[in-house]
Amino acid sequence: SQTIHQWPATLVQPVGSPLSLECTVEGTSNPNLYWYRQAAGRGLQLLFYSVGIGQISSEVPQNLSASRPQDRQFILSSKKLLLSDSGFYLCAWSRPRAWDTYEQYFGPGTRLTVT
Amino acid sequence: GQQLNQSPQSMFIQEGEDVSMNCTSSSIFNTWLWYKQDPGEGPVLLIALYKAGELTSNGRLTAQFGITRKDSFLNISASIPSDVGIYFCAGQLPNNAGNMLTFGGGTRLMVKP
Repeated sequence: SQTIHQWPATLVQPVGSPLSLECTVEGTSNPNLYWYRQAAGRGLQLLFYSVGIGQISSEVPQNLSASRPQDRQFILSSKKLLLSDSGFYLCAWSRPRAWDTYEQYFGPGTRLTVT
Repeated sequence: GQQLNQSPQSMFIQEGEDVSMNCTSSSIFNTWLWYKQDPGEGPVLLIALYKAGELTSNGRLTAQFGITRKDSFLNISASIPSDVGIYFCAGQLPNNAGNMLTFGGGTRLMVKP
């Protein structure tokens, strides 16, 4: 069976500090990977998605970046955090397009507070 | 970008009551998904719908893919306290490169014992 991990679970960082959030998936190959952000009490905002190693598409211009150094690893980064970067960050995976199924499966999330 | 209009935004019901929520859009979707999110956790997939008119059940949950492919509803029968959470609909537009989903704004369900 497939599992998805995110760490850290919670993070408190000062404004201007760097950020690195990690997501890994087990039990599947060549997944599509996604980063979402969720503000308190709000819906899901897609930040980045990746269909393969080194392939990143950005949906929202911002001071965040994403990388996919390995097939089942997805990293969200920032060089300098802003207060507005606070939120709940969710990683998700789905099977490749060729499978013709579109369910996304979410990780447990990382709660980021920028102070 | 594309939007899904999910309603109601919140519901406060008595335990044992049935619940209904829906999502509508001006766009046609190939797939409709329903998720539940508990506080502080990631959303969990409840039901996936792939064909117009499809009606699918998962325990006390029933969801339908609208005939026009522009809407979907989720019903919960005989609600219990653990049904509390935020329910999201999500749709998959045709021909999107990354299998991206468009999410509704969520329905917050509160159940009074």
